[in-house]
Amino acid sequence: DTAVSQTPKYLVTQMGNDKSIKCEQNLGHDTMYWYKQDSKKFLKIMFSYNNKELIINETVPNRFSPKSPDKAHLNLHINSLELGDSAVYFCASSHSGDFTDTQYFGPGTRLTVL
Amino acid sequence: AQSVTQPDIHITVSEGASLELRCNYSYGATPYLFWYVQSPGQGLQLLLKYFSGDTLVQGIKGFEAEFKRSQSSFNLRKPSVHWSDAAEYFCAVGGSGGSNYKLTFGKGTLLTVNP
Repeated sequence: DTAVSQTPKYLVTQMGNDKSIKCEQNLGHDTMYWYKQDSKKFLKIMFSYNNKELIINETVPNRFSPKSPDKAHLNLHINSLELGDSAVYFCASSHSGDFTDTQYFGPGTRLTVL
Repeated sequence: AQSVTQPDIHITVSEGASLELRCNYSYGATPYLFWYVQSPGQGLQLLLKYFSGDTLVQGIKGFEAEFKRSQSSFNLRKPSVHWSDAAEYFCAVGGSGGSNYKLTFGKGTLLTVNP
């Protein structure tokens, strides 16, 4: 059984388009995260939700908007895509919002903006 | 602000050899330290973590790490590397970022294992 799943796995799109990435976890966790991994493998947190409430919002352009319809899902919508948005986006979840909790990562979504 | 430095971008070892991956952290209070592994095309998986107590921490897959406060280090070790250990390894430090908690990752060390 997949613990944290993301769709799609690959996403290729043109500049200026709007796209969404979906994430679902079946671990019963309260907290979910979005990370961005750039071409140099640097991994940085973007957002964190706890029980559908935003608790971490790093310096991310307003074009990125997370949405959590329920605590098992955290989707990432990106408006007006730019070349610099090309990266691998990872979703993760943990039992609570405490960083001491183990975070479980999804397989990633590789976004390529042309 | 918290930060993590992994000085080695890429390390190559022979199968069966010992391994040590370096990690240095910067954090104002007691750090919470983690090692994650990312296999090709996969998400990250937790290997081990240190919060307090015994400074030598055992993890999964035969890995261990030692916390040395005096050196601000949390190096990952394995006595005998297997070909399946080839992956990217990330050290991370946990701490408060403003009023929120977050993990800050290093830039990773790519491990290649030669047969």
